[in-house]
Amino acid sequence: QSVLTQPPSASGTPGQRVTISCSGSASNVGSNTLSWYQHLPGTAPKLLIYSNDQRPSGVPDRFSGSKSGTSASLAISGLQSEDEADYYCATWDDSLNGPVFGGGTKLTVL
Amino acid sequence: QVQLQESGPGQVKPSETLSLTCTVSGDSIKSDYWSWIRQSPGEGPEWIGYIIHGGGTNYNPSLKSRVIVSLDTSKNEMSLRLRSATAADTAVYYCARVKFSMVRGVVTHYFDNWGQGTLVTVSS
Repeated sequence: QSVLTQPPSASGTPGQRVTISCSGSASNVGSNTLSWYQHLPGTAPKLLIYSNDQRPSGVPDRFSGSKSGTSASLAISGLQSEDEADYYCATWDDSLNGPVFGGGTKLTVL
Repeated sequence: QVQLQESGPGQVKPSETLSLTCTVSGDSIKSDYWSWIRQSPGEGPEWIGYIIHGGGTNYNPSLKSRVIVSLDTSKNEMSLRLRSATAADTAVYYCARVKFSMVRGVVTHYFDNWGQGTLVTVSS
């Protein structure tokens, strides 16, 4: 059972905007910054968003992150077929004194 | 460009020690934090522990009694040893570089580079 809660699946058609939610508690999402990862099975997970809303160089601005209280979301606009992947949120947990992850959301591009 | 590559046996017998190596290129293992993460089939990722050169280690409390993470600076490698393996330790194991800071009590922690992962099956 993952500490952070994400919907198991999401879907959209090419060109659409999709959002993926991530919820936690005061000791993790509510207290610290959030990161998001894109993962295609068999490949290295890729950092998409850090510090709630910052994109590493090379990540398209179609990907954006936001956080409010103990919830956060990843938005993908202009959905493309190559966006079909698993997406995970993560943050530091003060109680664990370590990072925690969401269970992942499988994004399907219809 | 930082690259990480995990290596080690793909199968371990129950009660034996699971040992993996992460070879880092493009960055010195003496800088930054370095971490092990695993993902069991159908589950979300689970943090195992992290290490920083000269600064010690921090482990997930659920694994702390069985795990050791170490650095070999001469080879620019990080290692993981997980003793008394059980079927529950079957997972894809990843190594990653960590960026970590704390400002006014707010922790910013993220994994900015990952290896491709290696599947370890615990089975007799």
